[in-house]
Order: sequence, then C-alpha cells, then structure tokens
Amino acid sequence: ETGVTQTPRHLVMGMTNKKSLKCEQHLGHNAMYWYKQSAKKPLELMFVYNFKEQTENNSVPSRFSPECPNSSHLFLHLHTLQPEDSALYLCASSSKGTGGETQYFGPGTRLLVL
Amino acid sequence: GENVEQHPSTLSVQEGDSAVIKCTYSDSASNYFPWYKQELGKRPQLIIDIRSNVGEKKDQRIAVTLNKTAKHFSLHITETQPEDSAVYFCAASDANAGKSTFGDGTTLTVKP
Repeated sequence: ETGVTQTPRHLVMGMTNKKSLKCEQHLGHNAMYWYKQSAKKPLELMFVYNFKEQTENNSVPSRFSPECPNSSHLFLHLHTLQPEDSALYLCASSSKGTGGETQYFGPGTRLLVL
Repeated sequence: GENVEQHPSTLSVQEGDSAVIKCTYSDSASNYFPWYKQELGKRPQLIIDIRSNVGEKKDQRIAVTLNKTAKHFSLHITETQPEDSAVYFCAASDANAGKSTFGDGTTLTVKP
C-alpha cells in the first residue's frame, strides 16, 4: 500500500539523540495525525493537524515536537527521549479533521529508546 | 471528552463460530463509529463503519449495530475464519471534535 508512508520503519536511539520521523500521504487529505501504540495504551492520539494547523495536542511531553509543512507531510521530531517512549508510532490521514471520516494509517515506525 | 470502553479485551472462538465485540461511549454528540482491524505487524484498516442515523449495517460476514439511547455499538463477525484473527478497535467521533477516540482493542483468535 502506498497511500500513507512512514520512514524510517525501525529506529533505535539513545536518550541523548535527536531524530525525526516522517510521514507522507498521497491521498489528497487535509488532516494528519500522530498516534502512539504500546502494550499499555493500544492507540493513543498525540497530535492532530488540520490544513497544516495543529488542532489537537493530547498533553504530549515537549520532547515530542510535531511539524506539518504542508497537508501531505508530517514530521515528529524527537529529542531526549526516555525508555518508556519506546513504542510503535503510527501516522494517519483523513479527508478533513472533522472526526466523521475514515482514517488511513501508515505502517508505523517501531522506536526503541535505549 | 469522549470515553470509549471496549469488551472483551481478548476473545477466542472456534472456526465457524460467531464473534461479538462491544463498545460503549460517553459523549451523546458522537455520530460516527468506525471499526478497524489490525493484523499482526500491520497497520489498522477500516473494516466497517456506521453513522448515528443508522441502526445496523452489514457487509458480508461482518455487521455493526448501534444503540444511540444506550450509547453502545457492537461488531458481529459470523462464520469466523483463521484470517479473522487480529486486534479489532472501535472508535467514536463527533464531527465537530476533529478527532476519533479509540477503544483499547480486542484480540480475536480464531482456532482452526
């Protein structure tokens, strides 16, 4: 599937590293989302962007910094992460962020923080 | 905000049997209820959805029912097959809220 792509697919980083996750959608959607998926909380919404504007920050620590330069691209900048941040990070998009439409997920980035 | 509870957390059935997963929601303004299936190592994908103006929707072996008064909706899978084994997530969303709230998922195992 090529609708929503994410890179890298796997990432190992130390607590002092800085890295970025990238998401790209080819569906012409206007809303993009970051989710964290872990055994503790299966699908935890982090951020919502609607027409490049952040409309939701679900009390996410500042060591996670999102960036949405246009409606097709979404980044998650990571710095000074903790081991408990190890999880699968899923990006999703929808036609518009009104909540009443299907979300299309990317394959995720499996992150391990050492 | 919206709160979605999903039960059971795990479900094991014999091939050919039916499976039912139930979700309750708290916000009466929620009007869109999708179900996603996530196979092991893969991304969540929509399998069926229902809007608040409809009580039931079917698509081959899967169906979803919605009771707005009681604020609950259910996924029904009939004639289960091993390839139905996956984690299933329900969600509830309000068209004005700009986001969906997901349940914690149900791990369905279909034994051959």
